[in-house]
Amino acid sequence: GDSVTQMEGPVTLSEEAFLTINCTYTATGYPSLFWYVQYPGEGLQLLLKATKADDKGSNKGFEATYRKETTSFHLEKGSVQVSDSAVYFCALSRGQGGSEKLVFGKGTKLTVNP
Amino acid sequence: SAVISQKPSRDICQRGTSLTIQCQVDSQVTMMFWYRQQPGQSLTLIATANQGSEATYESGFVIDKFPISRPNLTFSTLTVSNMSPEDSSIYLCSVRTGAVGYTFGSGTRLTVV
Repeated sequence: GDSVTQMEGPVTLSEEAFLTINCTYTATGYPSLFWYVQYPGEGLQLLLKATKADDKGSNKGFEATYRKETTSFHLEKGSVQVSDSAVYFCALSRGQGGSEKLVFGKGTKLTVNP
Repeated sequence: SAVISQKPSRDICQRGTSLTIQCQVDSQVTMMFWYRQQPGQSLTLIATANQGSEATYESGFVIDKFPISRPNLTFSTLTVSNMSPEDSSIYLCSVRTGAVGYTFGSGTRLTVV
């Protein structure tokens, strides 16, 4: 079945450091890919998404590129801030015509120190 | 995108009792999803709720334990029945918004004592 493998944390960085969180997936067809963020004590928020190969999703300085050849969707940010401290989830959906549900990775907890 | 109001936001319940969680969406949606997030873990889909039909449960989840109602296109409830401490989790509802994308409620943090 569909699955998402995500770099396990926790990850601790200093402010302004470069961030990469690796995510690879297994799915039939052409899934849509997502990164969700969960700030402490809050629900999930969509951070960015990509729906087809070579699409780049971006938001709030975060980027991820849909790589079909490596089945990857790594999250990157050039300069993290303390306010980026949260848990990040990679997820996929095969959408209409396939399973509508989201399949999540295990999450990566990021802590950014000043 | 859709806005979801989920309640209660948190509760502490005695073992053996039941809790019903409500989700209200500000627009009509065909499918609603219920997820569980156990402490320190990722989200696992419990069931998919379509209006006018029985909910579809994922492997490991059964209707007797997690009955779901979907009386109309904007509302759904999930009941956690006969609770035990192992049911302590965050429960979230979600809807599909637009061609691609999902919106989540703020979650219900349940503690069973």
